[in-house]
Amino acid sequence: DGGITQSPKYLFRKEGQNVTLSCEQNLNHDAMYWYRQDPGQGLRLIYYSQIVNDFQKGDIAEGYSVSREKKESFPLTVTSAQKNPTAFYLCASSMPIGDNEQFFGPGTRLTVL
Amino acid sequence: DQQVKQNSPSLSVQEGRISILNCDYTNSMFDYFLWYKKYPAEGPTFLISISSIKDKNEDGRFTVFLNKSAKHLSLHIVPSQPGDSAVYFCAATAPGGYQKVTFGTGTKLQVIP
Repeated sequence: DGGITQSPKYLFRKEGQNVTLSCEQNLNHDAMYWYRQDPGQGLRLIYYSQIVNDFQKGDIAEGYSVSREKKESFPLTVTSAQKNPTAFYLCASSMPIGDNEQFFGPGTRLTVL
Repeated sequence: DQQVKQNSPSLSVQEGRISILNCDYTNSMFDYFLWYKKYPAEGPTFLISISSIKDKNEDGRFTVFLNKSAKHLSLHIVPSQPGDSAVYFCAATAPGGYQKVTFGTGTKLQVIP
């Protein structure tokens, strides 16, 4: 049963703490992405990775960091430098070329108190 | 700079009638367009797509129309069903090695039984 998993579904953190969101896929996709969704806005790209050990900044990378040590995993760290971290975070994956469809995980709702 | 625009944040339609969701884009380099459907607290799921070499693509109750000269596309759902109630995102990609997807802000469709 292939797909993308994100954990946890809900996450609460105190202001000033770093937090890492998990994203795992077993679709054998090379490319993985992190998006952020805020009310009334579309999905905004934070970081993307086309291949293991390589990743690029998206449109709103400030205050975030990622790693891509394994093809299946693309964790996102929300650092204390992120000014407004409370949001719904979505991870996606796709084949990097020729297939435009991205498959999304269920998302993680992060609330910073 | 919102390159993909969905100017109607919400739409209400009676069950059995046609739902028409609209999307406009500004980047003439976009050559592939997608519609995603999203339920609350879930990740978006791919619905239907269209290449810029076509002006229509149909899949069951869903049809997407593309008017390149007007930089406009629309999603038609006929007949609309209560289970279609969700947020619909229009998205677009431009040619290149990395398939960066630009999303619109979404339209919330409510199908009234």
